[in-house]
Amino acid sequence: EPEVTQTPSHQVTQMGQEVILRCVPISNHLYFYWYRQILGQKVEFLVSFYNNEISEKSEIFDDQFSVERPDGSNFTLKIRSTKLEDSAMYFCASRAGTGIQPQHFGDGTRLSIL
Amino acid sequence: RKEVEQDPGPFNVPEGATVAFNCTYSNSASQSFFWYRQDCRKEPKLLMSVYSSGNEDGRFTAQLNRASQYISLLIRDSKLSDSATYLCVGWEGNQFYFGTGTSLTVIP
Repeated sequence: EPEVTQTPSHQVTQMGQEVILRCVPISNHLYFYWYRQILGQKVEFLVSFYNNEISEKSEIFDDQFSVERPDGSNFTLKIRSTKLEDSAMYFCASRAGTGIQPQHFGDGTRLSIL
Repeated sequence: RKEVEQDPGPFNVPEGATVAFNCTYSNSASQSFFWYRQDCRKEPKLLMSVYSSGNEDGRFTAQLNRASQYISLLIRDSKLSDSATYLCVGWEGNQFYFGTGTSLTVIP
């Protein structure tokens, strides 16, 4: 069964540093998403991406964040100047796009900001 | 505002029991709903989509009541492996929004 894959599985970064989280969505999927989940809290929507542009973003997705699909395969989330409160699990998801289709999640990147 | 509300639990039930979770939503424009399960420190995994007519998949039954704006999940004959957090997820536009989850522990 095709999977969404994310790398790295765990990223440790100093506060103020830039970090890039990588995702390879399922190959024939058209919609891509990033979520975060702070330990013990609910999954929070960050951004959705379709046709090479952002289609929706939440209040959390401020100017520190950006997304890119540089090569038609990878889907990346960049955090420009990390803060302690960015420590969380970050999940990538993709969806086929035609009709009401559920999302399929990658197994996440645990981001720890020191 | 796009929100779903769930009772966080925990629900502790003996093996073989039937357990039901409800989830209420505030946005009547929400187009569709799903139940996901999440194991500790793992990614959410799709359990089932929720249709207005109700749908069943083995021991699991999901219902959507648009008039009262709630979604339910019924698990029959609980197994130890059903222990997880169950997430109610709504969809509107191109955004999915998650409930806080309901924690289930099935006890031997």
